[in-house]
Amino acid sequence: QVQLVQSGSELKKPGASVKVSCKASGYTFTSYAMNWVRQAPGQGLEWMGWINTNTGNPTYAQGFTGRFVFSLDTSVSTSYLQISSLKAEDTAVYYCARSAGYCSGGSCYDWFDPWGQGTLVTVSS
Amino acid sequence: SYELTQPPSVSVSPGQTARITCSGDALPKQYGYWYQQKPGQAPVLVIYKDSERPSGIPERFSGSSSGTTVTLTISGVQAEDEADYYCQSADSSSTYVVFGGGTKLTVL
Repeated sequence: QVQLVQSGSELKKPGASVKVSCKASGYTFTSYAMNWVRQAPGQGLEWMGWINTNTGNPTYAQGFTGRFVFSLDTSVSTSYLQISSLKAEDTAVYYCARSAGYCSGGSCYDWFDPWGQGTLVTVSS
Repeated sequence: SYELTQPPSVSVSPGQTARITCSGDALPKQYGYWYQQKPGQAPVLVIYKDSERPSGIPERFSGSSSGTTVTLTISGVQAEDEADYYCQSADSSSTYVVFGGGTKLTVL
């Protein structure tokens, strides 16, 4: 079955970096884009952006430019999220989520299915 | 920036019907999607393209759209439906994805 499995929880100090992985299985990895979504403690879902798994071209949402980097290793069907210069406010659960939509007639429609199980990143001194 | 507005909470008794709304200016041009999130778990898609139900999602979950509002309806609510529900859509030019703030469904 289609599945996304993420790496385990991380505890980091302010200023450090973290790299979260998301391994896909059960489908052709390069046929679907991958998205990243952040959920701060007790808060809602926030779309961070997506990466084209064919070209490796990333698109970052407003507020997620500069310190956030999406990357791929297509040989192992894995997407990565790297966050540098970590701050306390980066403490959150980070989800990868496969795009399930399509483009037609000049418009694109996208939704996410399935999601990874989430990776908790805690930033604390 | 574009926003989707959901009520923070909805409460219903078991067996009753729950309706959760999501409002946004671009919804006449964009589809709405709904996710269920239980505590400590990842979100799960329950409705896509306003009213389509993924395989494996119970028939009591349905969706509809009217103007600038999409609605998730859960008929015959069960205790296991207690969760946070998030709507999702995109801006009118399909440039970026947006989530609503989430609605906590409480089954009394």
